[in-house]
Amino acid sequence: DAGVIQSPRHEVTEMGQEVTLRCKPISGHNSLFWYRQTMMRGLELLIYFNNNVPIDDSGMPEDRFSAKMPNASFSTLKIQPSEPRDSAVYFCASSLNRKNTEAFFGQGTRLTVV
Amino acid sequence: KQEVTQIPAALSVPEGENLVLNCSFTDSAIYNLQWFRQDPGKGLTSLLLIQSSQREQTSGRLNASLDKSSGRSTLYIAASQPGDSATYLCAVGGKGAQKLVFGQGTRLTINP
Repeated sequence: DAGVIQSPRHEVTEMGQEVTLRCKPISGHNSLFWYRQTMMRGLELLIYFNNNVPIDDSGMPEDRFSAKMPNASFSTLKIQPSEPRDSAVYFCASSLNRKNTEAFFGQGTRLTVV
Repeated sequence: KQEVTQIPAALSVPEGENLVLNCSFTDSAIYNLQWFRQDPGKGLTSLLLIQSSQREQTSGRLNASLDKSSGRSTLYIAASQPGDSATYLCAVGGKGAQKLVFGQGTRLTINP
């Protein structure tokens, strides 16, 4: 398996623009997680899905952030409108939906909002 | 709310030394603890996962221990090599939720 695949790897956008980050989880994994990593706050969970259903979105910072998982092999994280403080590395991870299974991370998307 | 702390924040040692990285967590009601490695500009690579019922896990030169009652885990690296240089993160999986709570990481440098 190719692992968790994220695109794009890098994104530079102007403040106010819409940004869409994409993730393809490992085939057969039914849990998907979106994390954000910054120097100040480290890795924070934004939202996670089980069987394509959002379970916990308490980490989503504002209404400007939204995430979808239309099917088992694809998820998006959208920021609209983007702001400079959204600049961070966004990671997607997937795992099996049961106890004591490892989470596998993608390479991340480095987002810069200018 | 679970909080995870890693000490030290940075560590620099000469090649060949054995070393220990520390991780502590505030809520002992956990399902598991996972250690990750992150290279600069890269994603996270899972190193070891310890279930809450286990005391330790080993993979090659790595050994991770878990003391749930005291809220501590250690990652032991034997015979360190320059290729071990990376940031090491521990993450705790809580009961009733699959999400991981991460520490801030220990940035490890192994000097040749």
